[in-house]
Amino acid sequence: GQQVQQSPTSLVLQEGENAELQCNFSTSLNSMQWFYQRPGGSLVSVFYNPSGTKQSGRLTSTTVIKERRSSLHISSSQITDSGTYLCAISLSNTNKVVFGTGTRLQVLP
Amino acid sequence: NAGVIQTPRHKVTGKGQEATLWCEPISGHSAVFWYRQTIVQGLEFLTYFRNQAPIDDSGMPKERFSAQMPNQSHSTLKIQSTQPQDSAVYLCASSLGKNSDYTFGSGTRLLVI
Repeated sequence: GQQVQQSPTSLVLQEGENAELQCNFSTSLNSMQWFYQRPGGSLVSVFYNPSGTKQSGRLTSTTVIKERRSSLHISSSQITDSGTYLCAISLSNTNKVVFGTGTRLQVLP
Repeated sequence: NAGVIQTPRHKVTGKGQEATLWCEPISGHSAVFWYRQTIVQGLEFLTYFRNQAPIDDSGMPKERFSAQMPNQSHSTLKIQSTQPQDSAVYLCASSLGKNSDYTFGSGTRLLVI
């Protein structure tokens, strides 16, 4: 089965609304990282967050290793937040990075 | 820090031709990864080097794909006898190592016609 699952698959918001993106993993890991990608664009690291909570501006990531989950919270969403958010874990036995299938976020004016 | 540099940004090849993709990792990073991204399959792991040594190539199609890292400043991904299904964005990433974050390059968009 898939080692990294993200939900929701897609999300449409009105500008100013908050978003909560989830990432669940089924295996032990070394690290976890959130990435952002615009259509046709490269992967940009949003958070490197193997455990605990990190905040950067309107973005907050919380990873709970024991519960095998991580979340990305976007507050007061803006149109420029639109894109795909991917979570990735580094497997503890191989150090290989495995990606989820992503959440496609669309923020409307 | 110029980040991870991938060249070329775009490549168009005819079916059956060879394609070589280049990656220059961030200086000092000991781990280099290659991924392939398509709309249908998403991000697929291809191969991984640590300190220039191949560690895991479990994602590499065995027959036509090969990757090398001859020195710490660059890695290459070579595809022989390219097929239309090889069309994808090929991404390279580097990392300081275990328990470190990963930085991706902008990718090489390969189109096989």
